[in-house]
Amino acid sequence: DGGITQSPKYLFRKEGQNVTLSCEQNLNHDAMYWYRQDPGQGLRLIYYSQIVNDFQKGDIAEGYSVSREKKESFPLTVTSAQKNPTAFYLCASSRDRVWYGYTFGSGTRLTVV
Amino acid sequence: SQQGEEDPQALSIQEGENATMNCSYKTSINNLQWYRQNSGRGLVHLILIRSNEREKHSGRLRVTLDTSKKSSSLLITASRAADTASYFCATDRSGGGADGLTFGKGTHLIIQP
Repeated sequence: DGGITQSPKYLFRKEGQNVTLSCEQNLNHDAMYWYRQDPGQGLRLIYYSQIVNDFQKGDIAEGYSVSREKKESFPLTVTSAQKNPTAFYLCASSRDRVWYGYTFGSGTRLTVV
Repeated sequence: SQQGEEDPQALSIQEGENATMNCSYKTSINNLQWYRQNSGRGLVHLILIRSNEREKHSGRLRVTLDTSKKSSSLLITASRAADTASYFCATDRSGGGADGLTFGKGTHLIIQP
């Protein structure tokens, strides 16, 4: 079955470490997105990519980096510059930028220890 | 930036009753979408309504859109315990929707047996 796979499900990071969250899709979608969700809050856009080798900053890109070397993959790196990284991270993809809904992964919960 | 705002923040009803939640947004849109999120999980796309549509149905879901008031409502009829979840409205961020969806903070719906 087609879908989006995020890994790991839970991730613990020490202060000053960079960590990378994986997002893989087999839906043949062009567009991929990373969102951050804090407790009781909506989703905030970190980065998005509409095509391979191209990506754009969202509302809260500071302290994060991404790459899009393959259509199927859109990994997110949380760098040590992100001062409050503890959150639930969601990856999504869409077939079309406007007229189709997003398919979401099951999320990665990142905790700083 | 937060485009959509859901109301109420929380809603508790008895199983079998209808649940209505509302969404208001600020700028012009191409479409408005509703998503469901079960606790600790990714979001699931429920329905998309285009700006030139006024009402749309999908199973027990009915969505309305009033572009003059910049508002939408989601009605779930004959609620079930499995409908317990958070519901988010989302709007496209720019004229072409190329920049990713903007989500509200959600309505937390509890269906009591």
